[in-house]
Amino acid sequence: GQQLNQSPQSMFIQEGEDVSMNCTSSSIFNTWLWYKQDPGEGPVLLIALYKAGELTSNGRLTAQFGITRKDSFLNISASIPSDVGIYFCAGRVRSQGNLIFGKGTKLSVKP
Amino acid sequence: DVKVTQSSRYLVKRTGEKVFLECVQDMDHENMFWYRQDPGLGLRLIYFSYDVKMKEKGDIPEGYSVSREKKERFSLILESASTNQTSMYLCATGLEAGGAHPTEQFFGPGTRLTVL
Repeated sequence: GQQLNQSPQSMFIQEGEDVSMNCTSSSIFNTWLWYKQDPGEGPVLLIALYKAGELTSNGRLTAQFGITRKDSFLNISASIPSDVGIYFCAGRVRSQGNLIFGKGTKLSVKP
Repeated sequence: DVKVTQSSRYLVKRTGEKVFLECVQDMDHENMFWYRQDPGLGLRLIYFSYDVKMKEKGDIPEGYSVSREKKERFSLILESASTNQTSMYLCATGLEAGGAHPTEQFFGPGTRLTVL
């Protein structure tokens, strides 16, 4: 089946640093979504992208739909302790089925 | 805001028991989904439903069944629970495909099921 490669798997950063993570696919996607999951909770939708090249922000978060339609990036600026959690990308192959999820990037912030 | 609720946050059952997990949404979404989440495996789709009384198998339907008698409610049933069904179960909802945002899914808080 389709797979999304999400990287890095985990990262430790200093508070105040910027963070970048990405997802890549071998297939062309028509939608990219980014979720955050806090421990013991369900994923919460952060940003949705629908057009190649689209750049969308949500507070300190910025996500981009890659121009090749096979990748997406999420950046967090000036990280704070509450950014800790697991960030998932998800996408939908053009004209096909359900969402495909990446395996997540676990973010830990050093105080 | 979309509200998706799940009947239990934590559940402990014994092997062989019949287990019901319920999901209720208040946003009139057509689509509802059940996933399980396991470390290192990510989210895996068990079953989904695009309409009342309609169900489709996802990637890992074995050992599970579902019921959708009303639009707002989607139940996941473990006919005879086994230890390998210990997991975090997540319900999600979304709008009809072809709508303005057909693929955004909204998740409930999850049910952590332990089968002893």
